[in-house]
Amino acid sequence: NAGVTQTPKFRILKIGQSMTLQCTQDMNHNYMYWYRQDPGMGLKLIYYSVGAGITDKGEVPNGYNVSRSTTEDFPLRLELAAPSQTSVYFCASSGRGSGANVLTFGAGSRLTVL
Amino acid sequence: AQRVTQPEKLLSVFKGAPVELKCNYSYSGSPELFWYVQYSRQRLQLLLRHISRESIKGFTADLNKGETSFHLKKPFAQEEDSAMYYCALTTGGGNKLTFGTGTQLKVEL
Repeated sequence: NAGVTQTPKFRILKIGQSMTLQCTQDMNHNYMYWYRQDPGMGLKLIYYSVGAGITDKGEVPNGYNVSRSTTEDFPLRLELAAPSQTSVYFCASSGRGSGANVLTFGAGSRLTVL
Repeated sequence: AQRVTQPEKLLSVFKGAPVELKCNYSYSGSPELFWYVQYSRQRLQLLLRHISRESIKGFTADLNKGETSFHLKKPFAQEEDSAMYYCALTTGGGNKLTFGTGTQLKVEL
């Protein structure tokens, strides 16, 4: 049982490049989330999904896109990378019922845009 | 919109001393509050949630609706408690969590 798996762990991008951060979970969780963590700023929600085929914006969605074609996968796409997107990105998932608000996090992906 | 405030970026205490990590929130309804912890080189993970009323690793937190606070407390700090602690809140509505900015706890020998 791997939990939440994110790839890559580290990536350096040039301004204007695009990339996709991959996230997959094997817990059959309905809810999935993408957060970014900036020093001194805590975690900010980028996008979330309540189930396959359904996605919604979080607090800081600009410059990102997501899709949820399967229950397991929730990739985050960065189009036209900017230095402001330098951050650590965390994918998380949660189930239903009493565990709905208990998030399981991935290990994080550190992205640097130069 | 709801907000979570953790006023201390860094809290340094000696081993064996009491610990209190402060968390205040703004929301007019009945939120659900959590503490998440991130130990060095480990993933962010749930420490405790107010509805469980549990003590985890010696930590407790009581929801005070009058003061809109959810402070995390431990009577005797241990070296292994050194970590980043995040207070978080959800109001339902898609189970989105709003996190505070975090407090780095350093327990010194």
